[in-house]
Amino acid sequence: GESVGLHLPTLSVQEGDNSIINCAYSNSASDYFIWYKQESGKGPQFIIDIRSNMDKRQGQRVTVLLNKTVKHLSLQIAATQPGDSAVYFCAENQRTGGFKTIFGAGTRLFVKA
Amino acid sequence: EPEVTQTPSHQVTQMGQEVILRCVPISNHLYFYWYRQILGQKVEFLVSFYNNEISEKSEIFDDQFSVERPDGSNFTLKIRSTKLEDSAMYFCASTPRVAATNEKLFFGSGTQLSVL
Repeated sequence: GESVGLHLPTLSVQEGDNSIINCAYSNSASDYFIWYKQESGKGPQFIIDIRSNMDKRQGQRVTVLLNKTVKHLSLQIAATQPGDSAVYFCAENQRTGGFKTIFGAGTRLFVKA
Repeated sequence: EPEVTQTPSHQVTQMGQEVILRCVPISNHLYFYWYRQILGQKVEFLVSFYNNEISEKSEIFDDQFSVERPDGSNFTLKIRSTKLEDSAMYFCASTPRVAATNEKLFFGSGTQLSVL
């Protein structure tokens, strides 16, 4: 969903459960997507990326799925741990003259012990 | 592990004053960025910088903003006359290569700017 002001979408999961964080994008020409994790008081940190010629990519405990038909991206975190509590942003790289990364609205993940 | 460093971590200023936010990108990186994040909101692109000139800037980056790489290591963001709405966390980022599409950003920990 979209964030409005201070109300980031939130997801609360029990420790050990799997988490799924969703993101929609609008530019069908986008060809590279990244998930960033932002812990409190820190800058965003790269988690995993995926190119548009793929529909799935796996990392350590994380999987990104890309559905180009509906322009949807998801981040799956397996066996969620308290250290996974953070805000998660999807982002896309755009080359429009120069080069920039555009961030989505973000989802706040709470992990309950 | 190399990291982007930003100073100060927190800057308080009066409305109308000039502020300079400082960043030291990772040493072999070539492309530099400033982003800002208003409390609880998403990270917004301000400007990208390559080869000593602005590569791209957003609508937010108006005439009150400027960037500079005064020497071989520092990268600064100047806000000439701060407004209340400039209050935000400002992040510096860098990337190692020349704007390849599959670049990921390396962020600093940010400077929290509070305009009173």
